[in-house]
Amino acid sequence: EPEVTQTPSHQVTQMGQEVILRCVPISNHLYFYWYRQILGQKVEFLVSFYNNEISEKSEIFDDQFSVERPDGSNFTLKIRSTKLEDSAMYFCASTTDRAQNIQYFGAGTRLSVL
Amino acid sequence: RKEVEQDPGPFNVPEGATVAFNCTYSNSASQSFFWYRQDCRKEPKLLMSVYSSGNEDGRFTAQLNRASQYISLLIRDSKLSDSATYLCVVLESGGYQKVTFGTGTKLQVIP
Repeated sequence: EPEVTQTPSHQVTQMGQEVILRCVPISNHLYFYWYRQILGQKVEFLVSFYNNEISEKSEIFDDQFSVERPDGSNFTLKIRSTKLEDSAMYFCASTTDRAQNIQYFGAGTRLSVL
Repeated sequence: RKEVEQDPGPFNVPEGATVAFNCTYSNSASQSFFWYRQDCRKEPKLLMSVYSSGNEDGRFTAQLNRASQYISLLIRDSKLSDSATYLCVVLESGGYQKVTFGTGTKLQVIP
């Protein structure tokens, strides 16, 4: 069964460093998403991406965040200068059908900012 | 008012019991609704979409009430493996793809 894959599974970084979280969506999917989940809290929408541009972003997704689909398979989330409060699980998701929008999630990257 | 609201629980129920969760949403223009399941420290996984006419998948039944802006999930004959957090998810309509998750309702099925 096709799946969304995310790497790394755990990323540890120092405050102020840049991190790039990687995702490979399911191959025929067209819409891509990033979410974060701080430990013990709800899943929060960050950004949706379609046709090589952002289609929607939340207030969390400020100038420190950016997304890219550099090569037609990877979908990346970059955090420019990490803060302690960026520590969370980051999930990537994709869907092929915008109308139904059944999203398939990757296993997540746990980001720990020290 | 929270955009998508759920009772966090936990709901502790014996095996074989029937349990129901509700979820309310604030945006009347919301378009699509889903229940996801999330096991501890794992990714959300789709349980079922929710349709206006109601839909059933085995032991699971989902209902949508647009007038009252709530969604429900009924689990019959609970199994130990049903223990998880159940997430209500709402997709807003329009040209955007904003997806809002509820905080989740934790279910613990007890032997």
